[in-house]
Amino acid sequence: ETGVTQSPTHLIKTRGQQVTLRCSSQSGHNTVSWYQQALGQGPQFIFQYYREEENGRGNFPPRFSGLQFPNYSSELNVNALELDDSALYLCASSPAGEEQYFGPGTRLTVT
Amino acid sequence: AQTVTQSQPEMSVQEAETVTLSCTYDTSESDYYLFWYKQPPSRQMILVIRQEAYKQQNATENRFSVNFQKAAKSFSLKISDSQLGDAAMYFCAYRINYGGSQGNLIFGKGTKLSVKP
Repeated sequence: ETGVTQSPTHLIKTRGQQVTLRCSSQSGHNTVSWYQQALGQGPQFIFQYYREEENGRGNFPPRFSGLQFPNYSSELNVNALELDDSALYLCASSPAGEEQYFGPGTRLTVT
Repeated sequence: AQTVTQSQPEMSVQEAETVTLSCTYDTSESDYYLFWYKQPPSRQMILVIRQEAYKQQNATENRFSVNFQKAAKSFSLKISDSQLGDAAMYFCAYRINYGGSQGNLIFGKGTKLSVKP
C-alpha cells in the first residue's frame, strides 16, 4: 500500500459535463502529480503541484485544472468533457526530493 | 524532447525462468533517473527499481536487476526466477533530476508480461 487514495474508483459522465476527481496523500507529501492513462497506453503527465502552486504542466488544454490543499489532498477538474477524456486518472504524491507514490486511479468513462 | 520506447508489447516467461524487458530512451540531459514500474490488474502503479544516471553500477532489487547502458540510452529489466505474481504491465519511465524539485515522469507504452505455470 502506498498510502495514496483516490475517489471515486469509477465514474461515468456525459460529454460536455464537468468532473472532479480527488486524491488524498500521506502527511508530508507536498508534491502531487496527475497523469492520464488511456487504454493500452502509458500514463501521460497532466500537471504537478508543489505546496499548493502549479509546478509544471503537460500538453493538456486549460479545461484540465487542479488544486492542492494544505491537508495533502488534491483535485483534478475537467470541464466540457470529451469522449477522448475517457481514461484512468492516476495521482502520485511524494515528499520533496523523493519518489512518487501512486494511487489506484479513477476510471472515467465519457459517453 | 524526451521519449521512452518499449519495443515489446507482450512477453511471456515460464515460471522460475528469467525474462528481460527492453527499454530505450532519448534525452539530451545528463542528470536523470530511470525507473521500472509494475501495474497489475488492480491498476496500482508500483515502483520496481530505480537507477540514477550518474551511477555506473546497475541497480538490483532482489529478483529484479537492470542493465543500464548510458551511451546507448538503453535500460533493460531482468526478472529472475519468475513468479506468477510477476504477471503485469511493466512500464519504463524517465525523470529529469531537478534537485529538490520533483519533475514529471515520462512513460513508455508498456510491456505486458505473462507468466506460465
